[in-house]
Amino acid sequence: GNSVTQMEGPVTLSEEAFLTINCTYTATGYPSLFWYVQYPGEGLQLLLKATKADDKGSNKGFEATYRKETTSFHLEKGSVQVSDSAVYFCALRGGSNYKLTFGKGTLLTVNP
Amino acid sequence: DGGITQSPKYLFRKEGQNVTLSCEQNLNHDAMYWYRQDPGQGLRLIYYSQIVNDFQKGDIAEGYSVSREKKESFPLTVTSAQKNPTAFYLCASSFRRDNEQFFGPGTRLTVL
Repeated sequence: GNSVTQMEGPVTLSEEAFLTINCTYTATGYPSLFWYVQYPGEGLQLLLKATKADDKGSNKGFEATYRKETTSFHLEKGSVQVSDSAVYFCALRGGSNYKLTFGKGTLLTVNP
Repeated sequence: DGGITQSPKYLFRKEGQNVTLSCEQNLNHDAMYWYRQDPGQGLRLIYYSQIVNDFQKGDIAEGYSVSREKKESFPLTVTSAQKNPTAFYLCASSFRRDNEQFFGPGTRLTVL
């Protein structure tokens, strides 16, 4: 079945540091890949997505590239801000299966 | 404003009682979903509905029930058969089952 493995947290960075959160997946067919963000006490918001190999999703300074050869979709940001502190979830939707499969989430804390 | 509302935000229940969580959307979406979120475990799908008067079990449906009598509403009942109901519950919807899912703010259920 489908599965997502993401970097265990928590991750603590100083403001303006470079961020990478690793995500790898197992899926049949050609999945679509997503990063969601959850701010404290809130629901999830879609941060970015990619639907085919070599696509790059980007939003709010965050980027992730769909790498089929390494089955990865790592999230990066060049300079994090305190306001980026949240839990980040990697997810996939595989082939004709509409269901989302989530990773366990990575808590990011950015200190001023 | 279009969106998904969940009520209440916090809910307390005594053991042995059933409780119903509300989810309403005014986005004119056909598909709706219920997820459960536990610390360090990501999101797991409880039930989903692709259209009015139709719903299917997700990965962890035991101890839960749903109904979909109206397009905009998808209430979730946590029954006394659910052995460990304390969790954060998230409702989501999408235009069709293979479109982006939008999430509500969640309901935190605590069993006393």
